[in-house]
Amino acid sequence: QKEVEQDPGPLSVPEGAIVSLNCTYSNSAFQYFMWYRQYSRKGPELLMYTYSSGNKEDGRFTAQVDKSSKYISLFIRDSQPSDSATYLCASSYSGAGSYQLTFGKGTKLSVIP
Amino acid sequence: NAGVMQNPRHLVRRRGQEARLRCSPMKGHSHVYWYRQLPEEGLKFMVYLQKENIIDESGMPKERFSAEFPKEGPSILRIQQVVRGDSAAYFCASSPPDRASGANVLTFGAGSRLTVL
Repeated sequence: QKEVEQDPGPLSVPEGAIVSLNCTYSNSAFQYFMWYRQYSRKGPELLMYTYSSGNKEDGRFTAQVDKSSKYISLFIRDSQPSDSATYLCASSYSGAGSYQLTFGKGTKLSVIP
Repeated sequence: NAGVMQNPRHLVRRRGQEARLRCSPMKGHSHVYWYRQLPEEGLKFMVYLQKENIIDESGMPKERFSAEFPKEGPSILRIQQVVRGDSAAYFCASSPPDRASGANVLTFGAGSRLTVL
């Protein structure tokens, strides 16, 4: 079992739709949960991170973590064509090992105008 | 305000040749990390370096791969005697020396894509 599982998609939605992206993880020791966006042929760009369980909102983006079910979600409201990219979830320990991010494979999202 | 700079962006090597990938961290960042993204796979941690020190190389293959971050100049990931399985995107990331929060926020470069023929 991989430590972070993510449905690779692809996922195609019309402009303006609400997008839900999800990951599961298996390592109970993970404390930080991140979402990165990666455009084609570019490096990953951090969207947001969450510590432990809870929600975090930033503009049209909301990240949720449920540690009891080991479930990580990213919601995108009012999706735009510019949101078309691959979204990577990642998890890490806290403290000394926090630089070792464990990534999912990424979900490719297309927002159709 | 340049971000993490990687070069070359694309590199083609024949089996048995050497590949050298370079990374200059963001200004003010002193910690460098290398990750590898194999086709259809997620990014995997390889190595963590500070100036003149390898802090954690637990993700590096035991043979043919080495990394350095000298006192002057960029960090270098070196792959000797490349094989087809080394074909991948190699990403460098950097972070500042002190973290305001507990999360280690990494800034990634655009990557170097190695193709082994």
